[in-house]
Amino acid sequence: SQKIEQNSEALNIQEGKTATLTCNYTNYSPAYLQWYRQDPGRGPVFLLLIRENEKEKRKERLKVTFDTTLKQSLFHITASQPADSATYLCALVMDSNYQLIWGAGTKLIIKP
Amino acid sequence: DTAVSQTPKYLVTQMGNDKSIKCEQNLGHDTMYWYKQDSKKFLKIMFSYNNKELIINETVPNRFSPKSPDKAHLNLHINSLELGDSAVYFCASSPLRGSGDEQFFGPGTRLTVL
Repeated sequence: SQKIEQNSEALNIQEGKTATLTCNYTNYSPAYLQWYRQDPGRGPVFLLLIRENEKEKRKERLKVTFDTTLKQSLFHITASQPADSATYLCALVMDSNYQLIWGAGTKLIIKP
Repeated sequence: DTAVSQTPKYLVTQMGNDKSIKCEQNLGHDTMYWYKQDSKKFLKIMFSYNNKELIINETVPNRFSPKSPDKAHLNLHINSLELGDSAVYFCASSPLRGSGDEQFFGPGTRLTVL
């Protein structure tokens, strides 16, 4: 069956360390993968997009990797700060209709 | 300036009632969406409109009817509300159909059916 899995438990990271979040998928062949941030009571906010032919993408303290063989994307936040605490969602983009298929998200808590 | 706005923010109603949620985007985007986020936090696409034309209509009860009077607005009308309809509903927009580009989300409408 098709599924997308993100760390179901909250991830607790010490401030200043690198936080690494995982997005695994099975039985999908996405053209793209997107990462979003969602704060409580708010809508998701787009962070990064990576295409299937890209291995890595960076934006400031954020880095995303995409391994289509492992069917996995890793999302890294370096020099993490308490303000980075939020839920992070990955979404697969299918090239058939460009519909987004969402993971349930990982709650990240950065401790001062 | 609010990019994607939704009203109301909270909606509490009784089973069997009919309610509407409104969405407006001022980004000039062609494509708009309605998502449902359940208690487990999964976002599930319900509908997508491109320039007022319905392009995605997932398996959603026909009690849910989207209406797009123009490309800046996409409203969601729900008839005969049921307990299972309780969730947060998000409106979103994106620049181009078929681009895979980022989506811009509204703040959400928390619907509680009693």
